[in-house]
Amino acid sequence: SQKIEQNSEALNIQEGKTATLTCNYTNYSPAYLQWYRQDPGRGPVFLLLIRENEKEKRKERLKVTFDTTLKQSLFHITASQPADSATYLCALEDGGFKTIFGAGTRLFVKA
Amino acid sequence: KAGVTQTPRYLIKTRGQQVTLSCSPISGHRSVSWYQQTPGQGLQFLFEYFSETQRNKGNFPGRFSGRQFSNSRSEMNVSTLELGDSALYLCASSATRLMSADTQYFGPGTRLTVL
Repeated sequence: SQKIEQNSEALNIQEGKTATLTCNYTNYSPAYLQWYRQDPGRGPVFLLLIRENEKEKRKERLKVTFDTTLKQSLFHITASQPADSATYLCALEDGGFKTIFGAGTRLFVKA
Repeated sequence: KAGVTQTPRYLIKTRGQQVTLSCSPISGHRSVSWYQQTPGQGLQFLFEYFSETQRNKGNFPGRFSGRQFSNSRSEMNVSTLELGDSALYLCASSATRLMSADTQYFGPGTRLTVL
């Protein structure tokens, strides 16, 4: 069955460094992949979408890559700040208006 | 533009009861999706509605049902509540979902606790 895997362990980094989060998927060939941010007790917030024919997408300090051969997406936050501390979720469309989310990776940015 | 609203925000029920949760999408959005989020299972897709029609359903028992009204507002119902139904229930709206990659906008969720 189609599966999405994200690092289950929390990622702890120092302020100013680049955070890199990984999303791997199996048994699927998505047309695009999305990244969301979720803060405790709140709904996810859309950050970026990258399509299968795009290698890289940038938005301010965020960068996403998409390798359909490796079936992997990397999400980078450059010059990280404590305010970037949150859980980051990747998501795929499983056809038919059905979105599948990874379990998320918790990021802690220490000042 | 007002965001997605969900009511109630918190709910406590006992086993065997039923519950109805409500979601009002962003004005003009016609697609509403529902998700269940638990610490163990993460965010799981329940169902999606567009123009009052359910277009897809996740792998949940028949106790979970939903509907969408002509004004795009949606409700989900859980009957015969079980302890394992305790979760954050999230609703997300998007413009149409007719084209792939329509962004989903999530509401704040309803925290359901089953005792």
